[in-house]
Amino acid sequence: QQKVQQSPESLIVPEGGMASLNCTSSDRNVDYFWWYRQHSGKSPKMLMSIFSNGEKEEGRFTVHLNKASLHTSLHIRDSQPSDSALYLCAASYQGGRALIFGTGTTVSVSP
Amino acid sequence: EAGVTQSPRYAVLQEGQAVSFWCDPISGHDTLYWYQQPRDQGPQLLVYFRDEAVIDNSQLPSDRFSAVRPKGTNSTLKIQSAKQGDTATYLCASSRDWKNTLYFGAGTRLSVL
Repeated sequence: QQKVQQSPESLIVPEGGMASLNCTSSDRNVDYFWWYRQHSGKSPKMLMSIFSNGEKEEGRFTVHLNKASLHTSLHIRDSQPSDSALYLCAASYQGGRALIFGTGTTVSVSP
Repeated sequence: EAGVTQSPRYAVLQEGQAVSFWCDPISGHDTLYWYQQPRDQGPQLLVYFRDEAVIDNSQLPSDRFSAVRPKGTNSTLKIQSAKQGDTATYLCASSRDWKNTLYFGAGTRLSVL
């Protein structure tokens, strides 16, 4: 079973619309959650990280974390064609393990 | 600041052939990671180092894969006898320590025919 589970697998969003992505850890020993974005043919780049319960906003991107349910979500408002990419959720766990990535959500923004 | 450098960018092999991938991390980053990313999937950890020490190689297929980082700087990942199932992009990443942001190289796209 994948330790970091993402949903949906793919998402089509109209330009200017809102995209909402979900991520859950199956292991309660999670320390931190990260969101990375990977454009086609490129390497992943860190988008946002969240360590504490609550919400964090950076520009058009908002991340929520509920540690009790081991769930994080990423919301993209006013989606642009340049937001079309694979969005990867990753988690780090107590004990100092390296980041474990989910399988990703492919977001396509239609003009 | 220079990013993470990987070479080669592409490799095409027949099954049974060997290949090596090279990675130069960001200067000052003591932690180095190798991930395997099959097409349309997320990166899967193979091995990671802190300085020259292997911290976790539990996901590395030890019969055919090996990785070293002898001086705690550059690293080499080697596949001894490639299989078609090894077809993937091999990503190297580095960070200041395990709690910090990972910076990825451009990756090596491997095709095993």
